[in-house]
Amino acid sequence: QSALTQPRSVSGSPGQSVTISCTGTSSDVGAYNYVSWYQQHPGKAPKLMIYDVSKRPSGVPDRFSGSKSGNTASLTISGLQAEDEADYYCCLYTGTYTVFGGGTKLTVL
Amino acid sequence: QLQLQESGPGLVKPSETLSLTCTVSGVSISSSIYYWGWLRQPPGRGLEWIGTIYYSGSTYYNPSLKSRVTISVDTSKNQFSLELNSVTAADTAVYFCARSYAWFDPWGQGTLVTVSS
Repeated sequence: QSALTQPRSVSGSPGQSVTISCTGTSSDVGAYNYVSWYQQHPGKAPKLMIYDVSKRPSGVPDRFSGSKSGNTASLTISGLQAEDEADYYCCLYTGTYTVFGGGTKLTVL
Repeated sequence: QLQLQESGPGLVKPSETLSLTCTVSGVSISSSIYYWGWLRQPPGRGLEWIGTIYYSGSTYYNPSLKSRVTISVDTSKNQFSLELNSVTAADTAVYFCARSYAWFDPWGQGTLVTVSS
């Protein structure tokens, strides 16, 4: 079970949109719809932002959205705000094991 | 409100066993449809799933750690625990517990465990 592939870093200006990709294979991301995304600020615990590919937990702004196409899942953040600057991790659950992406550092310019 | 809190030694010697407990408040572990998980994050690095347990005792482990990991549950104390044996410096990390389904939410605040003599 290899880690999912995420870009090391992405950046955007306030108000812009950014998309973070999470790439796997036809055996993992392509086969399961249990992709979740987590936001982590320095020194804090991760926070669930998206689950089941595109569902938002209560309290998460609708600026955050998730999708999947083939073997790649994506997290899109629209209307970037300064507080969105954080590390983001994708995660896949297959029923018997769970694997994370390497993480992406989002910088708000 | 569901809350989780990790507890245990912050320093473990190489080759010894790391033991942590997660105390759950706000919901009974045994009355839930959810699973309960352990995860970790080495300093400056990404997240790693360690394993997951159901209140009945059913467990799932990361294959890369399976030979060294035991997760157990104590429903009378509303707690679940992690044991990782034969630790090395590579096991130094912040360890998190979390409610689990096909995702993890919420998470405990995490506890740093350092493996050093």
